[in-house]
Amino acid sequence: QVQLQESGPGLVKPSETLSLTCTVSGGSISRYYWSWIRQSAGKGLEWIGRIYTSGNTNYNPSLKSRVSMSVDTSKNQFSLKLSSVTAADTAVYYCARDNWAARPGYFYYYMDVWGNGTTVTVSS
Amino acid sequence: DIQMTQSPSSLSASVGDRVTITCQASHDIKNYLNWYQQKPGKAPKVLIHEASNLQTGVPSRFSGSGSGTDFTFTISSLQPEDVATYYCQQYDNFPSPLTFGGGTTVEIK
Repeated sequence: QVQLQESGPGLVKPSETLSLTCTVSGGSISRYYWSWIRQSAGKGLEWIGRIYTSGNTNYNPSLKSRVSMSVDTSKNQFSLKLSSVTAADTAVYYCARDNWAARPGYFYYYMDVWGNGTTVTVSS
Repeated sequence: DIQMTQSPSSLSASVGDRVTITCQASHDIKNYLNWYQQKPGKAPKVLIHEASNLQTGVPSRFSGSGSGTDFTFTISSLQPEDVATYYCQQYDNFPSPLTFGGGTTVEIK
């Protein structure tokens, strides 16, 4: 059974870079998209972006100038970097596996495995 | 970006009641819509994908319908373990950004 685990600093100073890693266990990282999603306290879900195992990425336009993602297939890990953070970036950050398939006239895409989430606080 | 509007933002119902949540997309998204359940302190869990397909292992009291811009999520008989926040999420025009609705918090009356 595939499991995801987020790791990284729980406290980041304003203007610095938030760095998180998601480790995939119980299955291969290959041939899937992998997403990062965040949730501020008491708020809804915000999709940050996705990465394919080839390294192709797509980002939320609202964060695109500050976000970068990478993947290390040898370690079954993918990572998130968010630069120039402010208090508004304080949130629970989740990684997730994007389950997808596309055929003529048929396309599904949903996040079927999630990490437990890690809380990141931006504060001096 | 495609905006997703969910309603109501919260509701309170009795055990055994039928509960309905709606989600409206700002553009036609065909049936490219998923529904997630998030219990307090937990990660979201997919219940419905492609608007109406029940994820494996999810109880049959959950269902979804709709296409185009208007979608409905239903719990046919509310159970105490269904207390959670429910989110819709669209994935039209891949690889465009994914967007979530604002969520609906379901409580027991």
